Amino acid sequence: AQSVSQHNHHVILSEAASLELGCNYSYGGTVNLFWYVQYPGQHLQLLLKYFSGDPLVKGIKGFEAEFIKSKFSFNLRKPSVQWSDTAEYFCAVTGGYQKVTFGTGTKLQVIP
Amino acid sequence: DTGVSQDPRHKITKRGQNVTFRCDPISEHNRLYWYRQTLGQGPEFLTYFQNEAQLEKSRLLSDRFSAERPKGSFSTLEIQRTEQGDSAMYLCASRQGTTVNSPLHFGNGTRLTVT
Repeated sequence: AQSVSQHNHHVILSEAASLELGCNYSYGGTVNLFWYVQYPGQHLQLLLKYFSGDPLVKGIKGFEAEFIKSKFSFNLRKPSVQWSDTAEYFCAVTGGYQKVTFGTGTKLQVIP
Repeated sequence: DTGVSQDPRHKITKRGQNVTFRCDPISEHNRLYWYRQTLGQGPEFLTYFQNEAQLEKSRLLSDRFSAERPKGSFSTLEIQRTEQGDSAMYLCASRQGTTVNSPLHFGNGTRLTVT
């Protein structure tokens, strides 16, 4: 069975601060990993994804994530957050064409 | 807009009533997923289809829930004899099944309130 853990439930940062959101997964095979974002009042949108190759992947809006296989982690980072990054962030895992399993999410609040 | 569309956006129903939601995926996507999301939680997998075939159904899904995708295009999710615990946001998503790392594309969801 696949599962995802996000340990930070609510993060509050000031603008320009650096961000790192933790994500750990459990899956026995080759994984595909995703970060989704949900801005207030909007639907879930893809931020970035990892399939294979370079473990450091870059997404939209300056976000990046690093896949560390030995730690079963896929942490999301951004060097300098903006107020517009206020949203809820979800890590997700799938083994391929099957179901996609989501974490419980991290609410990010950026204070101007 | 050719994204995933869901109807209705909101549904208020009394306990014991049946409700049905509709999802229209992105036209070229052959995989369609239903998720449920409650406050403070991530999307919880319910079921998914490849074309018209329902390939997996969550063990958490009671027999009161049924989903169909009769022609491999739109899908419906029916909840019979609704309970207050069914109150949640029901999300539909689709993805292109020919690429293993293709992401899910979500609709705006149907918010169900059971009174």
